[in-house]
Amino acid sequence: SYVLTQPPSVSVAPGQTARITCGGNNIGSKSVHWYQQKPGQAPVLVVYDDSDRPSGIPERFSGSNSGNTATLTISRVEAGDEADYYCQVWDSSSDHHWVFGGGTKLTVL
Amino acid sequence: EVQLVQSGAEVKKPGESLKISCKGSGYSFTSYWIGWVRQMPGKGLEWMGIIYPGDSDTRYSPSFQGQVTISADKSISTAYLQWSSLKASDTAMYYCVRRTVTDAFDIWGQGTMVTVSS
Repeated sequence: SYVLTQPPSVSVAPGQTARITCGGNNIGSKSVHWYQQKPGQAPVLVVYDDSDRPSGIPERFSGSNSGNTATLTISRVEAGDEADYYCQVWDSSSDHHWVFGGGTKLTVL
Repeated sequence: EVQLVQSGAEVKKPGESLKISCKGSGYSFTSYWIGWVRQMPGKGLEWMGIIYPGDSDTRYSPSFQGQVTISADKSISTAYLQWSSLKASDTAMYYCVRRTVTDAFDIWGQGTMVTVSS
Protein backbone atom coordinates (compact mmCIF):
# COMPACT_ATOMS: atom_id res chain seq x y z
CA SER A 1 0.00 0.00 0.00
CA TYR A 2 1.00 3.61 -0.54
CA VAL A 3 2.87 5.25 2.36
CA LEU A 4 2.96 8.92 3.32
CA THR A 5 5.78 10.04 5.61
CA GLN A 6 5.57 13.17 7.80
CA PRO A 7 7.99 14.44 10.45
CA PRO A 8 6.56 13.81 13.93
CA SER A 9 7.09 17.39 15.02
CA VAL A 10 7.90 20.86 13.79
CA SER A 11 8.56 23.89 15.98
CA VAL A 12 8.42 27.53 14.98
CA ALA A 13 8.39 30.91 16.68
CA PRO A 14 5.36 33.20 16.32
CA GLY A 15 5.51 35.29 13.16
CA GLN A 16 7.85 32.89 11.41
CA THR A 17 7.09 30.41 8.62
CA ALA A 18 6.36 26.74 9.28
CA ARG A 19 6.87 24.11 6.61
CA ILE A 20 5.45 20.62 7.08
CA THR A 21 6.48 17.98 4.57
CA CYS A 22 4.72 14.87 3.33
CA GLY A 23 6.81 12.34 1.45
CA GLY A 24 5.54 9.66 -0.90
CA ASN A 25 6.63 7.83 -4.03
CA ASN A 26 5.95 10.19 -6.95
CA ILE A 27 3.48 12.12 -4.80
CA GLY A 28 3.73 14.96 -7.30
CA SER A 29 1.43 12.95 -9.58
CA LYS A 30 -1.32 12.88 -6.97
CA SER A 31 -3.63 15.46 -5.41
CA VAL A 32 -2.61 16.13 -1.81
CA HIS A 33 -4.96 17.38 0.89
CA TRP A 34 -4.07 18.74 4.32
CA TYR A 35 -6.03 18.71 7.57
CA GLN A 36 -5.57 20.60 10.82
CA GLN A 37 -6.65 18.96 14.08
CA LYS A 38 -6.62 20.91 17.32
CA PRO A 39 -6.83 19.05 20.65
CA GLY A 40 -10.28 17.66 21.32
CA GLN A 41 -11.63 18.72 17.93
CA ALA A 42 -12.42 17.07 14.62
CA PRO A 43 -9.96 17.62 11.77
CA VAL A 44 -10.56 20.53 9.40
CA LEU A 45 -9.57 20.63 5.73
CA VAL A 46 -7.11 23.53 5.27
CA VAL A 47 -5.65 22.83 1.81
CA TYR A 48 -7.00 20.63 -0.97
CA ASP A 49 -5.76 19.67 -4.42
CA ASP A 50 -2.17 20.52 -3.47
CA SER A 51 -2.64 24.27 -3.06
CA ASP A 52 -6.29 25.37 -2.91
CA ARG A 53 -7.90 26.69 0.25
CA PRO A 54 -11.50 26.09 1.35
CA SER A 55 -13.49 29.20 2.12
CA GLY A 56 -12.69 30.56 5.54
CA ILE A 57 -9.11 29.29 5.64
CA PRO A 58 -6.60 32.17 5.94
CA GLU A 59 -4.27 32.92 3.04
CA ARG A 60 -1.38 32.19 5.43
CA PHE A 61 -1.98 28.51 4.65
CA SER A 62 -0.57 27.36 1.33
CA GLY A 63 0.59 24.15 -0.27
CA SER A 64 2.88 22.81 -2.95
CA ASN A 65 3.58 19.40 -4.42
CA SER A 66 6.37 18.15 -6.65
CA GLY A 67 8.42 15.02 -7.12
CA ASN A 68 8.36 12.94 -3.96
CA THR A 69 7.42 15.71 -1.51
CA ALA A 70 4.36 17.81 -0.77
CA THR A 71 4.64 20.76 1.59
CA LEU A 72 2.17 22.67 3.73
CA THR A 73 3.43 26.17 4.43
CA ILE A 74 2.02 28.34 7.20
CA SER A 75 3.18 31.95 7.04
CA ARG A 76 3.21 34.39 9.95
CA VAL A 77 2.49 31.58 12.40
CA GLU A 78 0.17 32.36 15.28
CA ALA A 79 -0.30 30.60 18.61
CA GLY A 80 -3.69 29.38 17.37
CA ASP A 81 -2.01 27.40 14.59
CA GLU A 82 -0.60 24.94 17.12
CA ALA A 83 -2.17 21.63 16.13
CA ASP A 84 -1.61 18.28 14.47
CA TYR A 85 -1.46 18.38 10.68
CA TYR A 86 -2.17 15.41 8.40
CA CYS A 87 -1.59 15.00 4.68
CA GLN A 88 -3.82 12.69 2.64
CA VAL A 89 -4.01 11.31 -0.89
CA TRP A 90 -6.23 8.96 -2.87
CA ASP A 91 -4.25 6.04 -4.26
CA SER A 92 -5.81 4.20 -7.17
CA SER A 93 -3.22 1.41 -7.09
CA SER A 94 -4.07 0.25 -3.61
CA ASP A 95 -7.09 -1.14 -1.84
CA HIS A 96 -6.30 1.32 0.94
CA HIS A 97 -7.66 4.02 -1.29
CA TRP A 98 -7.64 6.96 1.07
CA VAL A 99 -4.23 7.22 2.74
CA PHE A 100 -3.22 9.55 5.56
CA GLY A 101 0.24 10.53 6.68
CA GLY A 102 1.17 9.84 10.28
CA GLY A 103 0.66 13.46 11.31
CA THR A 104 2.93 16.30 12.40
CA LYS A 105 2.62 18.15 15.67
CA LEU A 106 3.21 21.86 15.11
CA THR A 107 4.46 23.61 18.22
CA VAL A 108 4.49 27.39 18.39
CA LEU A 109 7.35 28.37 20.68
CA GLU B 1 -25.15 25.09 6.73
CA VAL B 2 -23.63 21.87 5.47
CA GLN B 3 -22.96 19.54 8.36
CA LEU B 4 -22.65 15.97 9.54
CA VAL B 5 -23.97 15.28 13.03
CA GLN B 6 -22.97 12.05 14.73
CA SER B 7 -24.57 10.09 17.54
CA GLY B 8 -23.25 10.35 21.07
CA ALA B 9 -20.48 8.58 22.93
CA GLU B 10 -20.86 4.89 23.69
CA VAL B 11 -19.48 2.63 26.42
CA LYS B 12 -19.76 -1.06 25.64
CA LYS B 13 -18.44 -4.42 26.83
CA PRO B 14 -16.39 -6.77 24.67
CA GLY B 15 -18.62 -8.97 22.54
CA GLU B 16 -21.47 -6.48 22.39
CA SER B 17 -22.84 -5.05 19.17
CA LEU B 18 -23.04 -1.38 18.27
CA LYS B 19 -24.34 0.88 15.52
CA ILE B 20 -23.38 4.56 15.39
CA SER B 21 -24.91 7.13 13.08
CA CYS B 22 -24.07 10.19 11.03
CA LYS B 23 -26.84 12.50 9.77
CA GLY B 24 -26.18 14.86 6.90
CA SER B 25 -27.95 18.15 6.37
CA GLY B 26 -27.68 21.28 4.24
CA TYR B 27 -26.84 19.44 1.02
CA SER B 28 -28.05 16.60 -1.22
CA PHE B 29 -27.16 13.57 0.91
CA THR B 30 -27.50 11.13 -1.98
CA SER B 31 -24.98 12.99 -4.16
CA TYR B 32 -21.85 12.63 -2.02
CA TRP B 33 -19.93 9.64 -0.71
CA ILE B 34 -19.77 9.38 3.10
CA GLY B 35 -16.70 7.80 4.67
CA TRP B 36 -15.65 6.71 8.14
CA VAL B 37 -12.27 7.48 9.74
CA ARG B 38 -10.88 5.95 12.93
CA GLN B 39 -8.59 7.69 15.38
CA MET B 40 -7.30 5.54 18.21
CA PRO B 41 -6.30 7.35 21.41
CA GLY B 42 -3.21 9.46 20.79
CA LYS B 43 -2.83 8.15 17.24
CA GLY B 44 -3.37 9.27 13.66
CA LEU B 45 -6.21 9.02 11.16
CA GLU B 46 -7.18 5.77 9.40
CA TRP B 47 -9.67 5.43 6.56
CA MET B 48 -12.12 2.60 7.22
CA GLY B 49 -14.57 2.59 4.36
CA ILE B 50 -17.01 4.63 2.33
CA ILE B 51 -20.56 4.47 1.01
CA TYR B 52 -22.53 6.23 -1.71
CA PRO B 53 -25.98 6.77 -0.20
CA GLY B 54 -27.55 7.15 -3.64
CA ASP B 55 -27.17 3.44 -4.41
CA SER B 56 -25.43 2.05 -1.26
CA ASP B 57 -22.27 1.19 -3.20
CA THR B 58 -19.74 0.49 -0.41
CA ARG B 59 -15.95 0.09 -0.30
CA TYR B 60 -13.84 -1.03 2.64
CA SER B 61 -10.21 -0.66 3.56
CA PRO B 62 -8.68 -4.15 3.70
CA SER B 63 -7.76 -3.39 7.32
CA PHE B 64 -11.45 -3.11 8.24
CA GLN B 65 -13.13 -5.47 5.76
CA GLY B 66 -15.14 -8.02 7.72
CA GLN B 67 -14.66 -6.12 10.97
CA VAL B 68 -17.35 -3.48 10.47
CA THR B 69 -20.38 -2.84 8.30
CA ILE B 70 -21.19 0.48 6.68
CA SER B 71 -24.74 1.26 5.59
CA ALA B 72 -26.99 4.20 4.82
CA ASP B 73 -30.67 5.13 4.87
CA LYS B 74 -31.13 7.84 2.28
CA SER B 75 -34.72 8.47 3.35
CA ILE B 76 -33.41 10.01 6.58
CA SER B 77 -30.01 11.21 5.26
CA THR B 78 -28.12 9.00 7.69
CA ALA B 79 -25.08 6.76 7.38
CA TYR B 80 -24.13 4.07 9.86
CA LEU B 81 -21.10 2.20 11.13
CA GLN B 82 -21.73 -1.02 13.00
CA TRP B 83 -19.95 -3.81 14.80
CA SER B 84 -21.38 -7.23 15.58
CA SER B 85 -18.88 -8.10 18.30
CA LEU B 86 -16.78 -5.32 19.78
CA LYS B 87 -13.22 -5.76 21.01
CA ALA B 88 -11.21 -3.61 23.40
CA SER B 89 -9.06 -2.62 20.43
CA ASP B 90 -12.12 -0.93 18.86
CA THR B 91 -11.82 1.81 21.49
CA ALA B 92 -11.38 4.97 19.43
CA MET B 93 -12.94 8.15 18.11
CA TYR B 94 -14.85 7.58 14.88
CA TYR B 95 -15.50 10.37 12.40
CA CYS B 96 -17.83 10.43 9.43
CA VAL B 97 -16.64 12.52 6.50
CA ARG B 98 -17.96 13.80 3.18
CA ARG B 99 -15.90 13.05 0.10
CA THR B 100 -15.29 15.73 -2.53
CA VAL B 101 -14.96 15.14 -6.26
CA THR B 102 -11.18 15.28 -5.88
CA ASP B 103 -11.12 12.76 -3.02
CA ALA B 104 -10.61 15.13 -0.11
CA PHE B 105 -12.84 15.06 2.96
CA ASP B 106 -14.33 18.53 3.20
CA ILE B 107 -16.91 18.06 5.95
CA TRP B 108 -16.27 16.13 9.18
CA GLY B 109 -18.70 15.04 11.83
CA GLN B 110 -17.93 15.98 15.42
CA GLY B 111 -16.85 12.41 16.16
CA THR B 112 -18.28 9.55 18.21
CA MET B 113 -16.12 8.15 21.01
CA VAL B 114 -16.51 4.41 21.43
CA THR B 115 -15.09 2.84 24.58
CA VAL B 116 -14.99 -0.94 24.90
CA SER B 117 -14.10 -2.19 28.34
CA SER B 118 -15.06 -5.03 30.61
